[in-house]
Amino acid sequence: SYVLTQPPSVSVAPGKTATITCGGHNIGSKSVHWYQQKPGQAPVLVIYYDSDRPSGIPERFSGSNSGNTATLTISRVEAGDEADYYCQVWDSSSDHWVFGGGTKLTVL
Amino acid sequence: EVQLLESGGGLVQPGGSLRLSCAPSGFSLRSYAMNWVRQAPGKGLEWVSAISNNAGSTYYADSVKGRFTVSRDNSKNTLYLQMSSLGAEDTAVYYCATDAQGAGFDYWGQGTLVTVSS
Repeated sequence: SYVLTQPPSVSVAPGKTATITCGGHNIGSKSVHWYQQKPGQAPVLVIYYDSDRPSGIPERFSGSNSGNTATLTISRVEAGDEADYYCQVWDSSSDHWVFGGGTKLTVL
Repeated sequence: EVQLLESGGGLVQPGGSLRLSCAPSGFSLRSYAMNWVRQAPGKGLEWVSAISNNAGSTYYADSVKGRFTVSRDNSKNTLYLQMSSLGAEDTAVYYCATDAQGAGFDYWGQGTLVTVSS
């Protein structure tokens, strides 16, 4: 089955840029979606199709995908961005949705 | 406002069964493929099951295949997840979510907690 690998944690100072990676075999050939989940809340879609933002998501959130790594980038990080972030792909070989293990973003 | 509301969670004994429901407010489920996603306490997201908008296709995670059944009643605007042979590993918050035609899951419910314990 397809595996997505994320770093367990990322720390960043306010105003700086956070980079969260999602590794998978040839993930560049798949569409990657990203979710933000704050404690006690349901996940929220923040990036779809590698780099598109749903309405209401700040432009500070961006994404890219190439080779074996997809990346979520959060610019000018704010305290309110502190959350868990998950990447997701559709694995057509198994007809399964797959989530990464999640990355806890800490704003210092 | 678009909302999804899950119900049916609770405490169930190992080996028992439970049926979860998911109903929207503010829109019709008819046009959406739907998914169930769960999250064990302190753990990450795990996709559980998906169903196409006309119920013609269903998909299951290996961990629940043969034990869980996803269904929908578009006339009642409701999604279901029938769970059987439950074990402690099934303890989780269960979310329903709409599938934005392959563009990720755009709407999520607030989740319903299923606890499997004796």
